[in-house]
Amino acid sequence: GQQLNQSPQSMFIQEGEDVSMNCTSSSIFNTWLWYKQDPGEGPVLLIALYKAGELTSNGRLTAQFGITRKDSFLNISASIPSDVGIYFCAGRTSGTYKYIFGTGTRLKVLA
Amino acid sequence: DGGITQSPKYLFRKEGQNVTLSCEQNLNHDAMYWYRQDPGQGLRLIYYSQIVNDFQKGDIAEGYSVSREKKESFPLTVTSAQKNPTAFYLCASSMWDRSDTQYFGPGTRLTVL
Repeated sequence: GQQLNQSPQSMFIQEGEDVSMNCTSSSIFNTWLWYKQDPGEGPVLLIALYKAGELTSNGRLTAQFGITRKDSFLNISASIPSDVGIYFCAGRTSGTYKYIFGTGTRLKVLA
Repeated sequence: DGGITQSPKYLFRKEGQNVTLSCEQNLNHDAMYWYRQDPGQGLRLIYYSQIVNDFQKGDIAEGYSVSREKKESFPLTVTSAQKNPTAFYLCASSMWDRSDTQYFGPGTRLTVL
């Protein structure tokens, strides 16, 4: 099945550093969602984006809906140890209930 | 409390047995989904349902079956035809409107011995 290209696959960063990750698609999406998943748990929704160019923040997290509608970015500022986890992007095209998921970015924060 | 519940959290079955995973939501969401996640992998769609009594195959439906008799419930049966059933199974739901977002349950880890 189709999947989004999410990068990087993994990141090791120092506490306090900023983090950037992105997703790209060959399809135009109407909705972009960003999730965080802890080991053994279900993904938790972080940010939802609905319009090209939209920039939305949730605390230290900021996500953007790319102008081309084929990409999205997630930034985490001043990372802390609890930011550790896997971050997934997901997108949906018009006229379907089906979401397509990225392969995930595994984030590790070194104290 | 509104949300999605999955039970049980851990499930063990012998090879060749069918097993049914439960998913319930009280969010009044129209659509429900089942995903499979293997270690270190992303989410793969098994089945999804837009309305009661209707569902569609996802990318990896072979060896699985679902039903949607009630809006709040979407059980998944892992049949003996599924060649590699050991995995983490995630249920999700969403509302079909302008603010559509998809929310996940806590997951069920199925181990087939």
